[in-house]
Amino acid sequence: GAGVSQSPRYKVTKRGQDVALRCDPISGHVSLYWYRQALGQGPEFLTYFNYEAQQDKSGLPNDRFSAERPEGSISTLTIQRTEQRDSAMYRCASSPESSYNEQFFGPGTRLTVL
Amino acid sequence: AQRVTQPEKLLSVFKGAPVELKCNYSYSGSPELFWYVQYSRQRLQLLLRHISRESIKGFTADLNKGETSFHLKKPFAQEEDSAMYYCALSDSGTYKYIFGTGTRLKVLA
Repeated sequence: GAGVSQSPRYKVTKRGQDVALRCDPISGHVSLYWYRQALGQGPEFLTYFNYEAQQDKSGLPNDRFSAERPEGSISTLTIQRTEQRDSAMYRCASSPESSYNEQFFGPGTRLTVL
Repeated sequence: AQRVTQPEKLLSVFKGAPVELKCNYSYSGSPELFWYVQYSRQRLQLLLRHISRESIKGFTADLNKGETSFHLKKPFAQEEDSAMYYCALSDSGTYKYIFGTGTRLKVLA
């Protein structure tokens, strides 16, 4: 079956612009996670949903970052007024339920802020 | 504080040599630990997790709570093992992952 998909795969934007990154999880997966990975680092947790409820947003770096999953499926991570330090790989993962199940990762979106 | 440490950024070994990728963790509760692998131009994928105690592609990892380690081992490295390896700890409340910084394994012919 289809895996986790993310779009766009690459996004180049100018400082100050807003960007929206999309994640389409595996059908039926309850949990959805967003991570950010800077060059040379491991992925770092941003936020997580169970169905449509945002359960934990403790990893969002500031209020320019927000995420939603209104129908419990597709999720959008929005970054307002982008800054150069936001440049990173943004990874989405989904899991069948909130448990120690494997998280299935998407290909990531490479964001570059000029 | 919860933390996963992978001390080696790069590990180079010759084909057929044993491999050990180190992972140490700091966690107050009972940890669930995983190894993820990223082959060139591919997405992160699960290699193994300690609760299943499986051997995948010849790799094994044993959780040592005394040493707070979860090192990944393989007796005979293959060229196709060349990849980026991440150790991850799953938080018991949210099940979010805490990743290490990763180790790049290069297996030389």
